[in-house]
Amino acid sequence: DAGITQSPRYKITETGRQVTLMCHQTWSHSYMFWYRQDLGHGLRLIYYSAAADITDKGEVSDGYVVSRSKTENFPLTLESATRSQTSVYFCASGRGVNEKLFFGSGTQLSVL
Amino acid sequence: GDSVTQMEGPVTLSEEAFLTINCTYTATGYPSLFWYVQYPGEGLQLLLKATKADDKGSNKGFEATYRKETTSFHLEKGSVQVSDSAVYFCALSDNNDMRFGAGTRLTVKP
Repeated sequence: DAGITQSPRYKITETGRQVTLMCHQTWSHSYMFWYRQDLGHGLRLIYYSAAADITDKGEVSDGYVVSRSKTENFPLTLESATRSQTSVYFCASGRGVNEKLFFGSGTQLSVL
Repeated sequence: GDSVTQMEGPVTLSEEAFLTINCTYTATGYPSLFWYVQYPGEGLQLLLKATKADDKGSNKGFEATYRKETTSFHLEKGSVQVSDSAVYFCALSDNNDMRFGAGTRLTVKP
């Protein structure tokens, strides 16, 4: 089906482990984003990408790594998970920075 | 850097009441402004947008006007319904990224 999909939907891991969250979109949108959603903070930008092989840090990028070797995929990796990274993670894509963003359904990550 | 400030919630209204959710922004350039809505268990969906000063975005009875002089983009609806219960996010895009406010939870009671 066309759209933007995130996987897994739920993930429980332990501190210190590496975790990768996947994001795939079928529209060939240039822009892709990763946000985390926490109570009291709303959505905070982790990383974004304007095109394949171009990525930039957002406001809360420490402890996260991204790659974008293909336009349609934008995986987010937590190199060594910490409890403070327990959150709901949303991936989004769009045609341009001033255009509507399309959001995935989110990944709920718990770090124990 | 660019930022968005929304009124704190939660907001609880009775059906058919008037809704206002305040949003102000700080930006160095000329951002586009958005309102997104998030229903329980889902990702965000665009509700409306405005790309320049004095533009009015509207959708599903919701409206917001881009006010450059007051750096505001307040969301309004004349008569809310129970189905409008959700979390509403104000956002701006500028300099290649999009920033969101903290969100305002709206509950509409019958």
